[in-house]
Amino acid sequence: EPEVTQTPSHQVTQMGQEVILRCVPISNHLYFYWYRQILGQKVEFLVSFYNNEISEKSEIFDDQFSVERPDGSNFTLKIRSTKLEDSAMYFCASSEMGAGEQFFGPGTRLTVL
Amino acid sequence: GENVEQHPSTLSVQEGDSAVIKCTYSDSASNYFPWYKQELGKGPQLIIDIRSNVGEKKDQRIAVTLNKTAKHFSLHITETQPEDSAVYFCAACLTSGTYKYIFGTGTRLKVLA
Repeated sequence: EPEVTQTPSHQVTQMGQEVILRCVPISNHLYFYWYRQILGQKVEFLVSFYNNEISEKSEIFDDQFSVERPDGSNFTLKIRSTKLEDSAMYFCASSEMGAGEQFFGPGTRLTVL
Repeated sequence: GENVEQHPSTLSVQEGDSAVIKCTYSDSASNYFPWYKQELGKGPQLIIDIRSNVGEKKDQRIAVTLNKTAKHFSLHITETQPEDSAVYFCAACLTSGTYKYIFGTGTRLKVLA
Protein backbone atom coordinates (compact mmCIF):
# COMPACT_ATOMS: atom_id res chain seq x y z
CA GLU A 1 0.00 0.00 0.00
CA PRO A 2 1.45 3.41 -0.93
CA GLU A 3 2.43 5.62 1.97
CA VAL A 4 3.85 9.02 2.76
CA THR A 5 7.44 8.87 3.95
CA GLN A 6 9.39 11.47 5.91
CA THR A 7 13.06 11.96 6.69
CA PRO A 8 14.71 12.26 9.08
CA SER A 9 12.64 10.66 11.82
CA HIS A 10 14.39 12.81 14.41
CA GLN A 11 16.32 16.06 13.91
CA VAL A 12 18.23 17.81 16.66
CA THR A 13 19.47 21.33 15.95
CA GLN A 14 20.80 24.39 17.70
CA MET A 15 18.67 27.49 18.00
CA GLY A 16 19.21 29.77 15.00
CA GLN A 17 20.19 26.98 12.64
CA GLU A 18 18.33 26.13 9.45
CA VAL A 19 16.60 22.79 9.07
CA ILE A 20 15.00 21.09 6.12
CA LEU A 21 12.41 18.42 6.68
CA ARG A 22 11.75 16.11 3.78
CA CYS A 23 8.65 14.29 2.65
CA VAL A 24 7.82 12.00 -0.23
CA PRO A 25 4.07 12.15 -0.80
CA ILE A 26 2.09 9.37 -2.45
CA SER A 27 2.99 9.46 -6.12
CA ASN A 28 -0.36 10.32 -7.75
CA HIS A 29 -1.36 12.86 -5.10
CA LEU A 30 -1.68 16.50 -6.02
CA TYR A 31 -2.31 18.25 -2.71
CA PHE A 32 0.34 18.50 -0.02
CA TYR A 33 0.28 19.71 3.56
CA TRP A 34 2.47 20.27 6.56
CA TYR A 35 1.10 20.06 10.09
CA ARG A 36 2.85 20.20 13.42
CA GLN A 37 2.10 18.74 16.83
CA ILE A 38 3.72 20.14 19.93
CA LEU A 39 4.15 17.38 22.51
CA GLY A 40 0.83 16.50 24.11
CA GLN A 41 -1.15 18.97 22.04
CA LYS A 42 -3.35 18.78 18.98
CA VAL A 43 -2.23 18.64 15.39
CA GLU A 44 -2.09 22.13 13.88
CA PHE A 45 -2.25 23.12 10.21
CA LEU A 46 0.80 24.94 8.85
CA VAL A 47 0.48 25.13 5.08
CA SER A 48 -1.19 23.60 2.05
CA PHE A 49 0.40 23.38 -1.39
CA TYR A 50 -1.11 22.71 -4.79
CA ASN A 51 0.01 23.26 -8.34
CA ASN A 52 3.45 24.40 -7.18
CA GLU A 53 2.22 27.17 -4.97
CA ILE A 54 0.99 27.74 -1.46
CA SER A 55 -2.80 27.55 -1.21
CA GLU A 56 -3.09 28.65 2.39
CA LYS A 57 -0.84 29.14 5.37
CA SER A 58 -1.59 29.55 9.04
CA GLU A 59 -0.41 32.24 11.42
CA ILE A 60 2.31 29.85 12.59
CA PHE A 61 3.80 29.76 9.09
CA ASP A 62 5.72 33.04 9.26
CA ASP A 63 8.64 34.29 7.16
CA GLN A 64 10.96 31.76 8.79
CA PHE A 65 9.10 28.93 7.09
CA SER A 66 9.09 27.96 3.44
CA VAL A 67 8.00 24.98 1.39
CA GLU A 68 9.21 23.64 -1.88
CA ARG A 69 8.57 20.83 -4.28
CA PRO A 70 12.04 20.69 -5.86
CA ASP A 71 11.30 17.72 -8.11
CA GLY A 72 8.45 15.39 -8.95
CA SER A 73 8.64 13.42 -5.74
CA ASN A 74 9.89 15.46 -2.77
CA PHE A 75 8.09 18.08 -0.71
CA THR A 76 10.21 19.99 1.80
CA LEU A 77 9.64 22.28 4.76
CA LYS A 78 12.47 24.66 5.60
CA ILE A 79 12.79 26.59 8.83
CA ARG A 80 15.38 29.31 8.30
CA SER A 81 16.35 30.18 11.84
CA THR A 82 14.94 27.75 14.36
CA LYS A 83 13.57 28.82 17.71
CA LEU A 84 13.07 26.76 20.86
CA GLU A 85 9.32 26.89 20.31
CA ASP A 86 9.71 25.20 16.92
CA SER A 87 10.37 21.94 18.77
CA ALA A 88 7.52 19.66 17.73
CA MET A 89 6.55 16.70 15.59
CA TYR A 90 6.09 17.77 11.97
CA PHE A 91 3.75 15.75 9.81
CA CYS A 92 3.56 15.82 6.06
CA ALA A 93 0.29 14.78 4.42
CA SER A 94 -0.94 14.37 0.88
CA SER A 95 -4.25 13.80 -0.83
CA GLU A 96 -5.26 12.79 -4.32
CA MET A 97 -8.09 15.25 -4.44
CA GLY A 98 -8.60 18.29 -2.31
CA ALA A 99 -11.85 17.08 -0.84
CA GLY A 100 -10.82 13.72 0.51
CA GLU A 101 -8.68 11.71 2.84
CA GLN A 102 -5.30 13.11 3.70
CA PHE A 103 -2.62 10.49 4.21
CA PHE A 104 -0.14 11.35 6.92
CA GLY A 105 3.51 10.42 7.14
CA PRO A 106 5.11 9.09 10.33
CA GLY A 107 6.45 12.52 11.24
CA THR A 108 9.80 14.15 11.97
CA ARG A 109 10.51 15.00 15.57
CA LEU A 110 12.37 18.33 15.62
CA THR A 111 14.24 19.22 18.79
CA VAL A 112 15.70 22.72 19.01
CA LEU A 113 18.29 23.19 21.76
CA GLY B 1 -12.01 31.65 13.99
CA GLU B 2 -12.26 28.00 13.04
CA ASN B 3 -12.22 25.68 16.01
CA VAL B 4 -13.01 22.08 16.89
CA GLU B 5 -13.71 21.09 20.47
CA GLN B 6 -13.26 17.45 21.48
CA HIS B 7 -14.36 15.62 24.64
CA PRO B 8 -13.35 13.81 26.72
CA SER B 9 -9.59 14.32 26.77
CA THR B 10 -9.08 10.89 28.34
CA LEU B 11 -11.35 7.88 28.40
CA SER B 12 -10.86 4.52 30.07
CA VAL B 13 -13.20 1.64 29.31
CA GLN B 14 -13.25 -2.05 30.07
CA GLU B 15 -12.57 -4.39 27.19
CA GLY B 16 -15.83 -5.19 25.44
CA ASP B 17 -17.52 -1.94 26.47
CA SER B 18 -18.34 0.91 24.11
CA ALA B 19 -16.49 4.19 23.81
CA VAL B 20 -17.93 7.48 22.58
CA ILE B 21 -15.93 10.58 21.68
CA LYS B 22 -17.68 13.84 20.82
CA CYS B 23 -16.65 16.84 18.75
CA THR B 24 -18.17 20.21 18.05
CA TYR B 25 -17.07 22.46 15.20
CA SER B 26 -17.52 26.18 14.69
CA ASP B 27 -17.44 26.68 10.92
CA SER B 28 -20.88 25.80 9.58
CA ALA B 29 -19.42 25.55 6.07
CA SER B 30 -17.37 22.48 7.09
CA ASN B 31 -18.61 19.45 5.20
CA TYR B 32 -16.08 16.66 5.67
CA PHE B 33 -15.29 15.11 9.05
CA PRO B 34 -12.53 12.52 9.36
CA TRP B 35 -11.47 10.63 12.46
CA TYR B 36 -7.84 9.69 12.94
CA LYS B 37 -6.18 7.21 15.28
CA GLN B 38 -2.66 7.98 16.42
CA GLU B 39 -0.55 5.30 18.05
CA LEU B 40 2.57 6.15 19.99
CA GLY B 41 5.35 7.40 17.73
CA LYS B 42 3.29 7.17 14.56
CA GLY B 43 1.42 9.52 12.30
CA PRO B 44 -2.37 9.81 12.37
CA GLN B 45 -4.23 7.09 10.45
CA LEU B 46 -7.74 7.59 9.10
CA ILE B 47 -10.24 5.19 10.65
CA ILE B 48 -13.54 6.57 9.37
CA ASP B 49 -14.94 9.71 7.83
CA ILE B 50 -18.30 11.25 7.09
CA ARG B 51 -19.55 13.89 4.71
CA SER B 52 -22.23 16.42 5.49
CA ASN B 53 -24.87 14.82 3.29
CA VAL B 54 -24.90 11.74 5.53
CA GLY B 55 -26.08 11.46 9.13
CA GLU B 56 -24.39 8.23 10.08
CA LYS B 57 -21.74 5.87 8.77
CA LYS B 58 -20.64 2.52 10.11
CA ASP B 59 -17.64 0.30 9.48
CA GLN B 60 -17.65 -2.88 11.55
CA ARG B 61 -17.11 -1.83 15.20
CA ILE B 62 -16.72 1.85 14.37
CA ALA B 63 -19.48 4.34 13.61
CA VAL B 64 -19.67 8.09 13.23
CA THR B 65 -22.76 10.27 13.57
CA LEU B 66 -23.18 13.83 12.39
CA ASN B 67 -25.68 16.48 13.45
CA LYS B 68 -25.16 19.42 11.11
CA THR B 69 -27.73 21.58 12.79
CA ALA B 70 -25.99 21.32 16.14
CA LYS B 71 -22.53 21.14 14.55
CA HIS B 72 -21.76 17.96 16.49
CA PHE B 73 -20.22 14.72 15.37
CA SER B 74 -19.31 11.65 17.38
CA LEU B 75 -17.21 8.52 17.13
CA HIS B 76 -18.60 5.29 18.54
CA ILE B 77 -16.45 2.22 19.07
CA THR B 78 -18.26 -0.93 20.15
CA GLU B 79 -16.79 -4.11 21.66
CA THR B 80 -13.55 -2.32 22.43
CA GLN B 81 -10.30 -4.25 22.38
CA PRO B 82 -6.90 -3.45 23.93
CA GLU B 83 -5.55 -2.62 20.46
CA ASP B 84 -8.07 0.21 20.26
CA SER B 85 -5.97 2.02 22.88
CA ALA B 86 -4.56 5.14 21.20
CA VAL B 87 -5.16 8.86 20.81
CA TYR B 88 -8.13 9.71 18.61
CA PHE B 89 -8.49 13.02 16.78
CA CYS B 90 -11.54 14.40 15.07
CA ALA B 91 -11.18 17.00 12.35
CA ALA B 92 -13.35 19.28 10.29
CA CYS B 93 -12.63 20.26 6.73
CA LEU B 94 -14.11 22.63 4.23
CA THR B 95 -14.08 20.76 0.92
CA SER B 96 -13.45 23.81 -1.18
CA GLY B 97 -10.54 26.16 -1.16
CA THR B 98 -7.50 24.74 0.59
CA TYR B 99 -8.95 21.65 2.26
CA LYS B 100 -7.01 22.14 5.48
CA TYR B 101 -8.02 20.07 8.47
CA ILE B 102 -8.89 21.71 11.76
CA PHE B 103 -8.19 19.08 14.39
CA GLY B 104 -9.74 18.58 17.78
CA THR B 105 -7.59 18.39 20.88
CA GLY B 106 -7.52 14.59 20.96
CA THR B 107 -8.86 11.85 23.22
CA ARG B 108 -6.57 9.33 24.85
CA LEU B 109 -8.53 6.07 24.92
CA LYS B 110 -7.36 3.31 27.18
CA VAL B 111 -9.04 -0.07 26.94
CA LEU B 112 -8.48 -2.11 30.07
CA ALA B 113 -8.15 -5.86 29.64
